Amino acid sequence: DIQMTQSPSTLSASVGDRVTITCRASQTISSWLAWYQQKPGKAPNLLIYKASSLETGVPSRFSGSGSGTDFTLTISSLQSDDFATYYCQQYNSYPYTFGQGTKLEIK
Amino acid sequence: QVQLVNSGGGVVQPGRSLRLSCAASGFTFSNYGMHWVRQAPGKGLEWVAVISYDGNNKYYTDSVKGRFTISRDNSKNTLYLQMNSLRAEDTAIYYCAKVGSVAAFDNWGQGTLVTVSS
Repeated sequence: DIQMTQSPSTLSASVGDRVTITCRASQTISSWLAWYQQKPGKAPNLLIYKASSLETGVPSRFSGSGSGTDFTLTISSLQSDDFATYYCQQYNSYPYTFGQGTKLEIK
Repeated sequence: QVQLVNSGGGVVQPGRSLRLSCAASGFTFSNYGMHWVRQAPGKGLEWVAVISYDGNNKYYTDSVKGRFTISRDNSKNTLYLQMNSLRAEDTAIYYCAKVGSVAAFDNWGQGTLVTVSS
């Protein structure tokens, strides 16, 4: 199975900050990586697919990059609505696997 | 618009069975693969199973193989997860998710809570 490792597990930041979350795959997954945002009590919401493609309706302050084994999610200027937990997911091969999550907290 | 409505969760004793449903609307259900993903209380996301658009191909995570069965009824626009021999570690919110055009999960149900406890 492909292991997905996110860092950091928790991130404290302020409105307006630029933040980056990283995700590393235990073997190459090409660009078959997605990023999801989840708020408490809600289902996850797709932000980025194929490593760097922005899902329709997602604000342009979100961006993704990387290929192979190393990936990043960047939020260019944090808004209050962005404080949530973020997950990466590989969909290169079954079983699909998620990172353990990064909780973005208000500093 | 796309809507996925989860149902069927509840409290069940270890060793018993439960069937979850996911009613789909707003898109041509029979054209898309569908997944189940679960989330234990306070934990991260875990992929559970997938079924192809026509029901002919299915894959499972190792921990549920032989106990869970994913299926679909395209005439009813409904996805199912039959869960047998339930264990305490199966306690989680179960979400159905639709595969998008680029294989990521572009729509999710609201989730249904399964609690396995004596």
